[in-house]
Amino acid sequence: GAVVSQHPSRVICKSGTSVKIECRSLDFQATTMFWYRQFPKQSLMLMATSNEGSKATYEQGVEKDKFLINHASLTLSTLTVTSAHPEDSSFYICSAEGQGAGPGSGQPQHFGDGTRLSIL
Amino acid sequence: SQQGEEDPQALSIQEGENATMNCSYKTSINNLQWYRQNSGRGLVHLILIRSNEREKHSGRLRVTLDTSKKSSSLLITASRAADTASYFCAYSGAGSYQLTFGKGTKLSVIP
Repeated sequence: GAVVSQHPSRVICKSGTSVKIECRSLDFQATTMFWYRQFPKQSLMLMATSNEGSKATYEQGVEKDKFLINHASLTLSTLTVTSAHPEDSSFYICSAEGQGAGPGSGQPQHFGDGTRLSIL
Repeated sequence: SQQGEEDPQALSIQEGENATMNCSYKTSINNLQWYRQNSGRGLVHLILIRSNEREKHSGRLRVTLDTSKKSSSLLITASRAADTASYFCAYSGAGSYQLTFGKGTKLSVIP
């Protein structure tokens, strides 16, 4: 149980292209989803927290107009990298938290397999 | 949020040996979790320890938590080549569900 599907797994595109990444919770409803970015050989850095039906909360230094997040349903959140440039190349990972989870709940986050974005 | 520290950054051991990884953090926490990441993949949750627990076991994994020292350790016993991966600690602060990740330990288990 608790499967998160992230698509696509890899994208290679030209500079200036906008790229959409989908994150789906397959067998549970995700009230909250998180988007992370990971540079080679480094840890995960939280980009934004996405709550169903409301605006995403972005971490300091993350451009909300650059990284558009939509969480229109309890099973789907999307991250769109707009007008992507080579410096946006990275590994993007989403995670989801089920309903009933929350501060101190002790429930783990469930991660997608990540999307490797390469901008030429 | 302040990133946690992990050591060692890299660890190479022979199959059958035990592997110990350490994590230190700087804030009060609700719980601390350990995740595993195979190269180029997402994270897999291994084990969670609450702030009021001191030790927890799951199969070949043993996790300890010392809140007075703000540190945790992950022990993998009788390691296997398939344990080769990066391991991250992650914690959520009091009143928050956001996770802060440590820098990770890259474990290589040599057959």
